[in-house]
Amino acid sequence: GAVVSQHPSRVICKSGTSVKIECRSLDFQATTMFWYRQFPKQSLMLMATSNEGSKATYEQGVEKDKFLINHASLTLSTLTVTSAHPEDSSFYICSATRVVGRHEQFFGPGTRLTVL
Amino acid sequence: ILNVEQSPQSLHVQEGDSTNFTCSFPSSNFYALHWYRWETAKSPEALFVMTLNGDEKKKGRISATLNTKEGYSYLYIKGSQPEDSATYLCASGHGGSQGNLIFGKGTKLSVKP
Repeated sequence: GAVVSQHPSRVICKSGTSVKIECRSLDFQATTMFWYRQFPKQSLMLMATSNEGSKATYEQGVEKDKFLINHASLTLSTLTVTSAHPEDSSFYICSATRVVGRHEQFFGPGTRLTVL
Repeated sequence: ILNVEQSPQSLHVQEGDSTNFTCSFPSSNFYALHWYRWETAKSPEALFVMTLNGDEKKKGRISATLNTKEGYSYLYIKGSQPEDSATYLCASGHGGSQGNLIFGKGTKLSVKP
């Protein structure tokens, strides 16, 4: 149990376009979902935390108008990178927790975004 | 700024060798320490979660220890196998169960047959 899927696994887009990434918990209801970003040779960095039906909480330095997060149900969260630029090229990965207040996170396989 | 350090950055061993890596984390307001195993093109897989000083966890040939007073955790792999090749991430949680996880950069292990 506790499988998280992420789609797409890889996307290449032109500068100025928007890209949507989906994160789904397949066999459990996720109380909280997290979005991380990883640049080459760096750590996973938390971008935002989202709870179903409420606004996401963004980490310092992450533009909420650029990285739109929608958490419409207990099994789906989406991250939309709006007006993407080459500097947004990165590896984006989501995770989900099953129990409120628990740290145990289950990760998706990630999405490699390349903006030309 | 809270920082988690992992060493070494990468490690190459022969099949059958035993190995260990280190994770150093801030001891202030510590809540939990996580180890993940991350194979290329797959999801990070949770290995252990430890919260108490002196905790030791074991899963097959892999074990981990925790020292919260000095802020470090060791991950041990006994008799490494090629299928152990992966990046091993540690992450520490601070500020209670509602706090976020801070990840290290990982240790990349390659096991040669």
